[in-house]
Amino acid sequence: DTAVSQTPKYLVTQMGNDKSIKCEQNLGHDTMYWYKQDSKKFLKIMFSYNNKELIINETVPNRFSPKSPDKAHLNLHINSLELGDSAVYFCASSPYRLAGFYEQYFGPGTRLTVT
Amino acid sequence: AQTVTQSQPEMSVQEAETVTLSCTYDTSENNYYLFWYKQPPSRQMILVIRQEAYKQQNATENRFSVNFQKAAKSFSLKISDSQLGDTAMYFCAFMIISNFGNEKLTFGTGTRLTIIP
Repeated sequence: DTAVSQTPKYLVTQMGNDKSIKCEQNLGHDTMYWYKQDSKKFLKIMFSYNNKELIINETVPNRFSPKSPDKAHLNLHINSLELGDSAVYFCASSPYRLAGFYEQYFGPGTRLTVT
Repeated sequence: AQTVTQSQPEMSVQEAETVTLSCTYDTSENNYYLFWYKQPPSRQMILVIRQEAYKQQNATENRFSVNFQKAAKSFSLKISDSQLGDTAMYFCAFMIISNFGNEKLTFGTGTRLTIIP
């Protein structure tokens, strides 16, 4: 009965590879997000989707491509991985904004290590 | 640009004591929300408390309360009767409410809180 789930939790890969991280939420929320937490624990928004539509694209390299097949899923595909992509990636979701609820609920994170 | 500042990188306090974590933010907007999130060693981001900027009353959730000073752009978190399970990174976060649906959380750099037995 996990609210926001991510797979995998850990991902170790070599430079140049392509990898995907999957996110699913069973909360019925309309909006989903990807955040990146760097080695200094700083968290920054990458993307947001509302009902499968891209809303926020926060100056992320083109190697990162989010895909939302339906409003319960938001996947992150990364091409040509670089050492600097090593981080923890968090998926989050929030209820429909006009209901006045803006809390974001986070998944457990995916620790990506690029060697 | 909106910024969130947490000036205390690390804090420690004895179990059962009260601790206050500070947060200031900078914005010219009027319609926004503020949040505190907790990140224990498990890495999970857990919402602790939220405050709507239009509400004058400070939010409270059990042992957690905030001191929201809108004019000073200050949003501190008070943890009363601290417990070992409160040991975590605490992040202050800010969200502007827009008409375009592009709300996002802007985080501070975090305060690492250790509760000492």
